Amino acid sequence: KAGVTQTPRYLIKTRGQQVTLSCSPISGHRSVSWYQQTPGQGLQFLFEYFSETQRNKGNFPGRFSGRQFSNSRSEMNVSTLELGDSALYLCASSEPGQGFEKLFFGSGTQLSVL
Amino acid sequence: TQLLEQSPQFLSIQEGENLTVYCNSSSVFSSLQWYRQEPGEGPVLLVTVVTGGEVKKLKRLTFQFGDARKDSSLHITAAQPGDTGLYLCAGVSHDKVIFGPGTSLSVIP
Repeated sequence: KAGVTQTPRYLIKTRGQQVTLSCSPISGHRSVSWYQQTPGQGLQFLFEYFSETQRNKGNFPGRFSGRQFSNSRSEMNVSTLELGDSALYLCASSEPGQGFEKLFFGSGTQLSVL
Repeated sequence: TQLLEQSPQFLSIQEGENLTVYCNSSSVFSSLQWYRQEPGEGPVLLVTVVTGGEVKKLKRLTFQFGDARKDSSLHITAAQPGDTGLYLCAGVSHDKVIFGPGTSLSVIP
């Protein structure tokens, strides 16, 4: 079984731009969650999607949004980028009924905002 | 606010040594997890502990969950260079997961 796939692997943007990151979960997994990882704040939960609906949300501003498609693939969008948005963005998927109990992470997208 | 603290923040040891890292919480979670993350990769789940006092072993790794379900420890016996990485603990509830800041372990051959 293929693992969680995130694209692109690296991304460089400038302040004020917007960015869209993609995540393809493991086949059969319907829950996708997103995380931001920085040296200062560590790994922080952004939001979780299940069956195309946002089920849970972390404490991030509205500039961070996401969506999930009928094939469980998910995208995350960050608008009006700020320097502080530079981070490794990770997504994870889990089997139906597992929730956060058994997360499988992708390798992440490293976003640099200049 | 639920928080997880981990100690030490950094650890550098020689191959063959033993070590213990700690995870402490201000709250009770339904379960606590340990992950290992290697540079350039996402975290990989090592173990989930659910019951207070629980001990789980994974080869040279021993995980303990405190009786009050607020703290956990990870003990590695005879560390190897392949154990190098960032060790993260995570507290899980039904609607969220909270990660600790991690312990960065370096095992020197």
